[in-house]
Amino acid sequence: NAGVMQNPRHLVRRRGQEARLRCSPMKGHSHVYWYRQLPEEGLKFMVYLQKENIIDESGMPKERFSAEFPKEGPSILRIQQVVRGDSAAYFCASSPSWVAGNEQFFGPGTRLTVL
Amino acid sequence: GQQVMQIPQYQHVQEGEDFTTYCNSSTTLSNIQWYKQRPGGHPVFLIQLVKSGEVKKQKRLTFQFGEAKKNSSLHITATQTTDVGTYFCAGHNQGGKLIFGQGTELSVKP
Repeated sequence: NAGVMQNPRHLVRRRGQEARLRCSPMKGHSHVYWYRQLPEEGLKFMVYLQKENIIDESGMPKERFSAEFPKEGPSILRIQQVVRGDSAAYFCASSPSWVAGNEQFFGPGTRLTVL
Repeated sequence: GQQVMQIPQYQHVQEGEDFTTYCNSSTTLSNIQWYKQRPGGHPVFLIQLVKSGEVKKQKRLTFQFGEAKKNSSLHITATQTTDVGTYFCAGHNQGGKLIFGQGTELSVKP
């Protein structure tokens, strides 16, 4: 049973380019969460999605960031016109349902570096 | 908004010494989860506490949930080099969002 998969594992972009981060949840999991981790900091919630629905995007910056979880395929976190401050590790997690108390299974993360 | 604070931020211990990290929430939590992240790795779920005053053990790790369900602690007895990493507590808010503490980074000197 494959775990949460994220790709790419490392991504380098120049300022102004777009970054696309992909996340495939564990089999049977319909809930996906994206977190950002800056160096030596904790995990900051960004967005919570179910298939074809954004449930909670209160942690997403208002501009340049968007997320989707289509009916088919992985969840995508998209960052337009990246800036140096976007450099961070982006983790995706999944759970089988919304129920508070469900363990979240984390993917290996995508480490984004903006030059 | 709800905040989850964790102290200390860093802890350096000699192998064999004990280690404790503390977690405090600004609001009552429905449950608290603990995760461990090895250097360069991703968070891995350790345990969940739900009941007021609950204590759970995993080998050398002891987890406690406060009576008021606003604080928690993780205690490691006789640390080993394999314990190295950052330990995060996380609590669910009313909307089901998981709020993470800043983490305590543990280093163990052999």
